[in-house]
Amino acid sequence: GAGVSQSPSNKVTEKGKDVELRCDPISGHTALYWYRQSLGQGLEFLIYFQGNSAPDKSGLPSDRFSAERTGGSVSTLTIQRTQQEDSAVYLCASSFYRTSGMSTDTQYFGPGTRLTVL
Amino acid sequence: GIQVEQSPPDLILQEGANSTLRCNFSDSVNNLQWFHQNPWGQLINLFYIPSGTKQNGRLSATTVATERYSLLYISSSQTTDSGVYFCAAPGGSQGNLIFGKGTKLSVKP
Repeated sequence: GAGVSQSPSNKVTEKGKDVELRCDPISGHTALYWYRQSLGQGLEFLIYFQGNSAPDKSGLPSDRFSAERTGGSVSTLTIQRTQQEDSAVYLCASSFYRTSGMSTDTQYFGPGTRLTVL
Repeated sequence: GIQVEQSPPDLILQEGANSTLRCNFSDSVNNLQWFHQNPWGQLINLFYIPSGTKQNGRLSATTVATERYSLLYISSSQTTDSGVYFCAAPGGSQGNLIFGKGTKLSVKP
């Protein structure tokens, strides 16, 4: 079946502009994660959604970042007043479920959105 | 939180050679995943392997949970195996994966 899809694949924006990144998880997956990969920082976690539950925003790097998930499916990551340090590849992952504690189901990643802030 | 360390950071192989990549983690885990990031940046799932050994074609992986390490074996390497290999384990309160820094593999023809 279809994998995780993300759009746009590339986004170039000017410093100070707002951007929206979209993620379509695998159908039936209730858990959705956003990560970003930047040079010198590796892969870092941003935010997690379980179904329609309100997410824990503590992993977001600043209050300029926000995310929502509509209908327990599609998610949008919004970055307001972009800064050059926001340049990175933003990756979305989904999994069928997350069990209690530290155990998780396999996470499948989308192709990412490469964000460049000039 | 949990720390994930990978070695070696870089690896250059001649096509046809075998290799072993290592992943150490600092705490007990219920899950460990290996990924291959291809030159286009796509993270491709290789193994979900909390313990034991799994094989998929020329690749196999072994996780020894009690000793907190996992190994990825690549046999008869091909140029298409080039890329960065990551291991990751759930280490955040939200089940998010904590990634190692990766092993960059280059397979020369």
